[in-house]
Amino acid sequence: QLQLQESGPGLVKPSETLSLACTVSGGAISSDSYFWAWIRQPPGKGLEWTGSIHYSGRTYYNPSLKSRVTISVDTSEKQISLKVSSVTAADTAVYYCARLRRFHGDYGYFDNWGRGALVTVSS
Amino acid sequence: EIVLTQSPGTLSLSPGEGATLSCRASQSVLSNYLAWYQQKPGQPPRFLIYGVSTRAAGVPDRFSGSGSGTDFTLTISRLEPEDCAVYYCQQYGGSPLTFGQGTKVEIK
Repeated sequence: QLQLQESGPGLVKPSETLSLACTVSGGAISSDSYFWAWIRQPPGKGLEWTGSIHYSGRTYYNPSLKSRVTISVDTSEKQISLKVSSVTAADTAVYYCARLRRFHGDYGYFDNWGRGALVTVSS
Repeated sequence: EIVLTQSPGTLSLSPGEGATLSCRASQSVLSNYLAWYQQKPGQPPRFLIYGVSTRAAGVPDRFSGSGSGTDFTLTISRLEPEDCAVYYCQQYGGSPLTFGQGTKVEIK
């Protein structure tokens, strides 16, 4: 059974870089049928797609965050990483790692989710 | 960007009743590439439906999806206490991938 586990610091200072990792177990990371995505959810609010990456390294980012976000993949470690630079309080959120099932080109729906990691931006 | 607007914000219903949740898109969703998710408090979203109406594995058949173009509906027939959650729609017809703001279903 596929499992996704997010990890990383729970507290980041304003203007610094938020870094999270997602470890994939129980399934293949190098499948052409899937992308791997980060989705965030501010406390009490809705879901926002941050970006997606294919095991080949092909990436897509949400334009609202594109200049600050970097997603990378390490297939040998079965990890997907997220970096968000120059963070502010508005970046405080639960960050979810999810598997994106390709259905329309490189887009699709999220069929497996990690439990999420709360990251608070505060001095 | 396709903006998805869900209504109502909150539904309060009794067990056994039916729930109708709406998701309206700001422009036509390509080939009806629309999915639904259920999120209970403190949990990640759970994938329910893709392609407007195809249920994911293990999803009870009291959950059904319908619609096309810009108007989509998630129907929960015969509400059960465990259906208490926030439900989100998501379009994957184009980038950026977007979600609706959610509809909260409360069980009286």
